[in-house]
Amino acid sequence: DIQMTPSPSSLSASVGDRVTITCRASQSISRYLNWYQQKPGKAPKLLIYAASSLQSGVPSRFSGSGSGTDFTLTINSLQPEDFATYYCQQSYTTPTSFGQGTKLEIK
Amino acid sequence: QLQLQESGPGLVKPSETLSLTCTVSGGSISSSSYYWGWIRQPPGKGLEWIGSIYYSGSTYHNPSLKSRVTISVDTSKNQFSLKLSSVTAADTAVYYCARMGYDILTGRHDAFDIWGQGTMVTVSS
Repeated sequence: DIQMTPSPSSLSASVGDRVTITCRASQSISRYLNWYQQKPGKAPKLLIYAASSLQSGVPSRFSGSGSGTDFTLTINSLQPEDFATYYCQQSYTTPTSFGQGTKLEIK
Repeated sequence: QLQLQESGPGLVKPSETLSLTCTVSGGSISSSSYYWGWIRQPPGKGLEWIGSIYYSGSTYHNPSLKSRVTISVDTSKNQFSLKLSSVTAADTAVYYCARMGYDILTGRHDAFDIWGQGTMVTVSS
């Protein structure tokens, strides 16, 4: 099975900051990497699919990059509503797997 | 607008079978472009994929759950269902149903783009 390792596991930032979250796969997954945002008590929301494609309706301050084993989610100009937990997921092979999440908190 | 809604008991006794149904509204479950999946999240923890099903009935599930998982689809009701047998306290979680993209040409699966709101299931006597 492919293991997904996020970094960092938690992060403090301020409104207006630029934040980068990374996710490393235990083997190459090409660009089959997706990013989700989850707020407390809510279902995850798809932000980025196929490593860098922005899901419809997601603000353009979110962007993704990477291929192979190393991937990055970047949030430009953090907004108050962006404080949440972010998960990566590989859809390269079965079983699909999620990272343990990065919790983004207000500094 | 497509919506998914989970339903089922919120409390299950140890060793019994957890049964949940996901109702799809605002669109057809019989689309060649999607699989339909179950994902769970124990309290305070991360996401775990349980399994997925195609409208034709083709299924695959997480080997970590071994043979405890059964997923079925009822296209006439636009629903798919999950059964998880021999539950223990470790199966206590929020259970989500979600739509997963599928490329019929390559056989590749994509992201989960639409999710239900989730339903909490507690395993306790």
